[in-house]
This record gives sequence, C-alpha cells and structure tokens, in this order.
Amino acid sequence: GENVEQHPSTLSVQEGDSAVIKCTYSDSASNYFPWYKQELGKGPQLIIDIRSNVGEKKDQRIAVTLNKTAKHFSLHITETQPEDSAVYFCAASINNDMRFGAGTRLTVKP
Amino acid sequence: GAVVSQHPSRVICKSGTSVKIECRSLDFQATTMFWYRQFPKKSLMLMATSNEGSKATYEQGVEKDKFLINHASLTLSTLTVTSAHPEDSSFYICSASDPSGGGDTQYFGPGTRLTVL
Repeated sequence: GENVEQHPSTLSVQEGDSAVIKCTYSDSASNYFPWYKQELGKGPQLIIDIRSNVGEKKDQRIAVTLNKTAKHFSLHITETQPEDSAVYFCAASINNDMRFGAGTRLTVKP
Repeated sequence: GAVVSQHPSRVICKSGTSVKIECRSLDFQATTMFWYRQFPKKSLMLMATSNEGSKATYEQGVEKDKFLINHASLTLSTLTVTSAHPEDSSFYICSASDPSGGGDTQYFGPGTRLTVL
C-alpha cells in the first residue's frame, strides 16, 4: 500500500520567514495530494491540494509543488504569521484511499 | 461550503457502555464518509470507509463488531463504539467526500474526544 513520509517533524521559524515541509510517497499511481492544517483539539482543515497533472499550485501565501518523477511534493508558506502555527499533514490518495504523513508541527515565533 | 459537523465534541463514558458519534455533511451530499482515529501527537489512522447504503470497509486490525458504522443517508454517518474500554479513549474524526470536488477531496469534521473511565 501507499506509504507517505513527511519531514521535518518539527519546524520553528521567525515571523515573516518562509516555511517548507516535504513529503514523499511510494505508489506512483497516487494522483491527488492534499495538505491539511490541524490546530489543537480540532479537525484537519484542507488548505491546498494538487493533482498529478499539475506541477505547482499557489493560493496567496501558500504554494504546493509536485515532482511525480521523484514522487515528492512540498508545501511552501511565505511571510509566515503566528496564526500559521499548527500541525500540518500531507496526504497522497488513489481512488479515495488517502494516506497521511506523520505531520509537521510548525511554530512561528513573533 | 463543504462543512462537516460531528456530535458530540466531547464524551466521557464508563467502561462497558456504548457511545455513538454522529458525522454530518451540512451543505453537500457525501456518498463516502471516513472514520479516523488519532492518538496524541500522532497522525490520522483510517479505521473504515463507508458508502451510503452499503456496509463499511474496515482497515486491517479494526474490529468491525466493536466499531459499528452506519451510513444511512447521504448526509449522515454514525460510529458506535460498543462495550467501550479505557484503551478506546482517543480523538475520533470523520471526513466526507464532496463529489463536486473531484470525489477524492475529503473534508473533516471537528472531531470527538472520547474518554472511557
């Protein structure tokens, strides 16, 4: 089955800096890659997603890149703010079967 | 759009009792709903996938007789933890697929914190 690895497990940045989280997946058939943000005690919130026919997608301060050949995808957050502090999960999906990375705890210091 | 609710948000029960958790898609019809379990500081672990009107598909190692799932309508799925024990204490989260989002986009509920005494 699909295996998703996510790095780093923790990330601390200064407010205004950029943050990058990377994920790799094992099954080349995976075709959908969402990113979720989870705040303490809450459910994951979809922040951006990308499909396998696209190499990059951007939504304001958030961007995701996908390298199908290398089977890795990354989340980029620019101009980080304290409210970006949360746990971020990547996922890879085939036919609605979604597998998650272990998560990255992002801390943005004011 | 794509809002998913869960009820209750928090429940405490005695060992041996059963607890029902509801998951609703509020503004879309969800042909498929998913139930996850999350341990503290861990990732989401898929328990089962349910399609409206059919039996749920459970992941390996998840006891279907202990975690009863019903998906009776396109907007409601329920998870019943039967004969709960302290080791069942966890954060349970549901998600629902929005067909208009490509079918594989999952929107998550806010989660239910279960504590079994």
